[in-house]
Order: sequence, then structure tokens, then C-alpha cells
Amino acid sequence: GENVEQHPSTLSVQEGDSAVIKCTYSDSASNYFPWYKQELGKRPQLIIDIRSNVGEKKDQRIAVTLNKTAKHFSLHITETQPEDSAVYFCAASMIETSGSRLTFGEGTQLTVNP
Amino acid sequence: DGGITQSPKYLFRKEGQNVTLSCEQNLNHDAMYWYRQDPGQGLRLIYYSQIVNDFQKGDIAEGYSVSREKKESFPLTVTSAQKNPTDFYLCASMAGQGDGYTFGSGTRLTVV
Repeated sequence: GENVEQHPSTLSVQEGDSAVIKCTYSDSASNYFPWYKQELGKRPQLIIDIRSNVGEKKDQRIAVTLNKTAKHFSLHITETQPEDSAVYFCAASMIETSGSRLTFGEGTQLTVNP
Repeated sequence: DGGITQSPKYLFRKEGQNVTLSCEQNLNHDAMYWYRQDPGQGLRLIYYSQIVNDFQKGDIAEGYSVSREKKESFPLTVTSAQKNPTDFYLCASMAGQGDGYTFGSGTRLTVV
């Protein structure tokens, strides 16, 4: 099955700096890569996603890049703000005969210091 | 509450007792999922269901059971075989294959 590794497990930045979180996946058949943000005590929320036919996608201060050859994808947050502090999860999805399922990385605790 | 509702928010279980966690969605999604969130290990898949009356084991199905009698509902039973003292369970649904999930707000289960 799919295996997703995520680094770093914790990341601390100063407000205004950029933050980068990286993930690798094992199954070359995976074709959908979402990122979720989970604030303390709340449910994970989808913040951006990318499909395997695209190399980069941006949405305001966040962007995701995908390198299919190397089987890794990254989340980039620019001009970080204290409200960006949360746990971020990457995930990979493939469609199987039994259906579609997401495999998640272990999560990155991002702290943005004012 | 975002179209997918989990209840209760907190649940206490005595050793040897089975308990059932509720997950209901009004999003008309076919696929539903149960994950357990472990500190430092992300979200691990317990069971999932693509259609009514069918479900598949995930990576950590031992000690759990599910049913999918209605499209809107996917309850999870935690049996006495599940030994973890405290766990956080997340239910999710998905609109179509290759889409993202919508998550419920979670249930925190504690063994007392």
C-alpha cells in the first residue's frame, strides 16, 4: 500500500518568514495530493490540493509543488502569520478496485512567532 | 456543522465494554471513512465504505467494527479488544473518487 512520510515534525518560524513542509510518497500510482490544516481542538480542513497532471498550484499565500519523478510534494506558506500556527497534514490518494482512500503523513506542528 | 456530524464529542468506556460512535452526513457523499488520530502518527485508517452495505478494512481494523445500512450513516463500534486508553476518532466523507475529504469534528474516547 501507499506510505507517506512528512518532514519536519515541528517547524518554528518568525512572523513574515516562509515555511516549507515536505512529503514523499511510495506508490507511483497515487494521483491526488491534498493538504490539511488542523487547529488545536478542531477538525482538519482542506487548504489546497494538487493532482498528478499539474506541477504547481497557488492560492494566495500558500502553494503546493509536485515532483512525480521523485515522488515528493511540498507545501509553501509565504508571509506567515500567527494564525497560520497549526498542525499540517499531507496526504496521497490512489483509486483502487475497492475505492479511493487517503494515506496521511504524520503531521507538522507549525508555530509562527509574532 | 459542516454537513458531517459526529457524536458524542466525548465518550467514556469501561474496560470490557463496547461503545458505538456515530457519524452522520447530509452531503449526499457515497464514500465514508473512519480514522484514528494518534499523537505523532497522523491519521490512520480504520474502515471505509464506498457504497451502502459494503465496507473495507483499513490499516488498523482490529478491535473495531462498522456498518453501512444507510448512505448518510457510518457508525463505528469500538470493542473491548481495543486497549488504547484515550483515542481521538475522526469520521470523513468524500464526494467522488480522487477528491478531498470533509471531516467531522471528532470524538474523544477515554477508557476509565
